[in-house]
Amino acid sequence: DADVTQTPRNRITKTGKRIMLECSQTKGHDRMYWYRQDPGLGLRLIYYSFDVKDINKGEISDGYSVSRQAQAKFSLSLESAIPNQTALYFCATSARDGGYSNQPQHFGDGTRLSIL
Amino acid sequence: GQSLEQPSEVTAVEGAIVQINCTYQTSGFYGLSWYQQHDGGAPTFLSYNALDGLEETGRFSSFLSRSDSYGYLLLQELQMKDSASYFCAVRVGYQKVTFGTGTKLQVIP
Repeated sequence: DADVTQTPRNRITKTGKRIMLECSQTKGHDRMYWYRQDPGLGLRLIYYSFDVKDINKGEISDGYSVSRQAQAKFSLSLESAIPNQTALYFCATSARDGGYSNQPQHFGDGTRLSIL
Repeated sequence: GQSLEQPSEVTAVEGAIVQINCTYQTSGFYGLSWYQQHDGGAPTFLSYNALDGLEETGRFSSFLSRSDSYGYLLLQELQMKDSASYFCAVRVGYQKVTFGTGTKLQVIP
């Protein structure tokens, strides 16, 4: 089984619909992240969470909300989807960094979201 | 804010060596990471440099010069399976990472 699982893998929906993307992990990591990927723009951070009670906005949080239901679960919602939110969405997790040491991010397989 | 620059595309021949550069401008810097992403796949971590110098992991090496705000990923003995996108990412604070826009590497026979 994958360590970081995203559901659904693909979703096509209409403008104005509410959509929830879910992420669960079995790695025991505190940190969880949501990114969106668009061609030529790399990975852009939407929201991140250091633990269940600590949620922070990333660089492109407008139009999105998140919920950290448990240490292992972090969901991303689009309250009223619009076509320019069509993208590939990734969830990632990491353990805590310490000083200059680095804990790599571990990514799920992504959710391909199309909004018509 | 943060900005990272890396070439959008690179083509190299199987068996050769290729270097993918990354320059960055950040407010605060802890280290530079590299990730690989195959088409349709998830990004996977390759390497991390916090200090100046070269880190080697098998066929892949990563270099950092903090004074020049510059790093590179070096891939040796290129294989067809190395065809992928490569992202540099700077760690700018506690658990905060900013990714570059990626370099698409095409390995040709």
